[in-house]
Amino acid sequence: QVQLQESGPGLVKPSQTLSLTCTVSGGSISSGSYYWNWIRQPAGKGLEWIGRIHTSGSTNYNPSLKSRVTTSVDTSKKQFSLNLSSATAADTAVYFCAREDYSTSGFDPWGQGTLVTVSS
Amino acid sequence: QSALTQPASVSGSPGQSITISCTGTNSDVGGYNYVSWYQQHPGKAPKLMIYDVTNRPSGVSNRFSGSKSGNTASLTISGLQAEDEADYYCSSHTSSSTYVFGTGTKVTVL
Repeated sequence: QVQLQESGPGLVKPSQTLSLTCTVSGGSISSGSYYWNWIRQPAGKGLEWIGRIHTSGSTNYNPSLKSRVTTSVDTSKKQFSLNLSSATAADTAVYFCAREDYSTSGFDPWGQGTLVTVSS
Repeated sequence: QSALTQPASVSGSPGQSITISCTGTNSDVGGYNYVSWYQQHPGKAPKLMIYDVTNRPSGVSNRFSGSKSGNTASLTISGLQAEDEADYYCSSHTSSSTYVFGTGTKVTVL
């Protein structure tokens, strides 16, 4: 079955760009049937939806993060990526990637998550 | 967009039924049948339990059921088991083509 795996630096300096990649295995990323999402969770807190990208290039972002977020997809590598600019300590969180079916709600499956700490 | 409102905690004894509410607005929960529910155990990724308000993914126990009335969605767990102790989050599509999560509910099995 489809599996997702996040990767990227675990430590980012304040004001720098936080960059993560999600690799899809066991299935196609090229299918137009899915959106590819990023979600984060600060330690001990709730989930926050960051944004999503479709392989057509269509994107949607959380209004509170929109000015700092960009996403991209590389179908040849079966990867999609997140860039969050001007990082601050408030961006310290576990970051998850997740697939969303185009015609229904629901994020499934999820990656295992990766902790990113923003600190000097 | 504001987080959907969930009770901070809900508890029940084994075998009992509990219900978790998720309250939003006409621009999210009340406007679309795109509400989903997630179970999260400590240190793990969330798991999809309900999608499109009432639908269960393959492999999810039929003890879990979802419903919606107006701007409030609900998740009911019947026949509560020890393994159901976890955090639960709702999520809804919004009128801005974005998603918003609930504040989260900690379920305790007494």
